[in-house]
Amino acid sequence: EAQVTQNPRYLITVTGKKLTVTCSQNMNHEYMSWYRQDPGLGLRQIYYSMNVEVTDKGDVPEGYKVSRKEKRNFPLILESPSPNQTSLYFCASSFLGDTEAFFGQGTRLTVV
Amino acid sequence: GENVEQHPSTLSVQEGDSAVIKCTYSDSASNYFPWYKQELGKRPQLIIDIRSNVGEKKDQRIAVTLNKTAKHFSLHITETQPEDSAVYFCAAASGTYKYIFGTGTRLKVLA
Repeated sequence: EAQVTQNPRYLITVTGKKLTVTCSQNMNHEYMSWYRQDPGLGLRQIYYSMNVEVTDKGDVPEGYKVSRKEKRNFPLILESPSPNQTSLYFCASSFLGDTEAFFGQGTRLTVV
Repeated sequence: GENVEQHPSTLSVQEGDSAVIKCTYSDSASNYFPWYKQELGKRPQLIIDIRSNVGEKKDQRIAVTLNKTAKHFSLHITETQPEDSAVYFCAAASGTYKYIFGTGTRLKVLA
């Protein structure tokens, strides 16, 4: 089954404790991205990757890191999480940067 | 920077009426304009899309129109049903850069 899988689904952590949210797709898509969804602000792009080893900042990259060592995986790293990073996070992949985006199930992160 | 403005933020319609959601984009290089529907607690899913070389596209009760000159595109839902209640997002993409979403419209279809 074609899908985008992100883990974990829910995470509560403390300020400053490094965490990684994983994202994997099995559709051989070139383009992958991370979004955060906050009420009234829609889906804001954090980082995107157009191919292996090619990543770039989206609109809200501060406090986040990503890597794209393999085509299928695109983890999101929070080196020192802060409460303002409490949000719902979505990973998405698409064949190219201007085609349909397929979203993961979402990760609800709470930083206390 | 590039952005996509979406209006209205909330929309209530009577069942059977039409709903229209409008978006404006700023990046003239954008060539792909999808619309996503997000039901409560679910992930966004594509419902219809349009490319810059097409002015209108229709799929049953859903249609999208694009005005490249004005940088406007709109979603039209006719004969609305309760299951159309959801949050709808427009987006604009150029293929070589960011994939930018609007802020969303919460549509409520009143029975």
